Amino acid sequence: DVKVTQSSRYLVKRTGEKVFLECVQDMDHENMFWYRQDPGLGLRLIYFSYDVKMKEKGDIPEGYSVSREKKERFSLILESASTNQTSMYLCASSFLSRDRGETQYFGPGTRLLVL
Amino acid sequence: GQQVMQIPQYQHVQEGEDFTTYCNSSTTLSNIQWYKQRPGGHPVFLIQLVKSGEVKKQKRLTFQFGEAKKNSSLHITATQTTDVGTYFCAGQGVDYKLSFGAGTTVTVRA
Repeated sequence: DVKVTQSSRYLVKRTGEKVFLECVQDMDHENMFWYRQDPGLGLRLIYFSYDVKMKEKGDIPEGYSVSREKKERFSLILESASTNQTSMYLCASSFLSRDRGETQYFGPGTRLLVL
Repeated sequence: GQQVMQIPQYQHVQEGEDFTTYCNSSTTLSNIQWYKQRPGGHPVFLIQLVKSGEVKKQKRLTFQFGEAKKNSSLHITATQTTDVGTYFCAGQGVDYKLSFGAGTTVTVRA
C-alpha cells in the first residue's frame, strides 16, 4: 500500500509566521505535488516536483515556496502566512505507469488556520 | 493547460435513486481519472479512462469518456449512504499535468 504522510493534521498559526508543511511518501515515486482545497474551488495545484531539487509552479504559487532535498520528502513553505492561506493542504505523489497513467496518491491533509 | 469544469457542484439524492455528474475539458485529454473523497478524508483514486468512447463499470458506478476525449460522466445507480462524499474528475493533458474539476458533493437522504 502506498503511504503518503503529512506532518500535521491540524495547524494554527498567526499572520506573518513562517509555516512548514512536510510530506513524506514511501513508494519511491518521482513526482510529488502540493494542492490546496477550498469549498467550491476543488483542488488547486500550488507546486509540483518531478525529481529531487526540481520544482515547478502550479496554478497558484504566489505566497508559497517548496523544497525537495530528498526523493521521499516534499515540503511546502509559507514564508509569511496570511489569513487567505487558511485552507486544507493536500500532498500527493505519483509515478507514470503504462496502464494507470499518472495516478495520484494523496496524504490525509493538513487543515491550516491562520489567525 | 486545460481547464476542467464539473457539474453539478452539489447533488442531494434520495437513497435508491440514480444520479450523474459531468465533467468537461477545454482541451482534448490523454486520459481522465475519477477520485472519491469521503467526508473528513482525502481523495482516493477510483478509475482511469483512456480510450475515446470508453465505458467502465465498478459495481453501481458507470464511467464514460466522450468520443472527442473532452468530456466524461459518472453515473451511480441505486444510491446508497456509502456513496456520500465528493467525486472529482481529473483530466490529464498531453503535458501529463493533471487538472482537477471542482468536484460534486453528494449527500443521501434515507
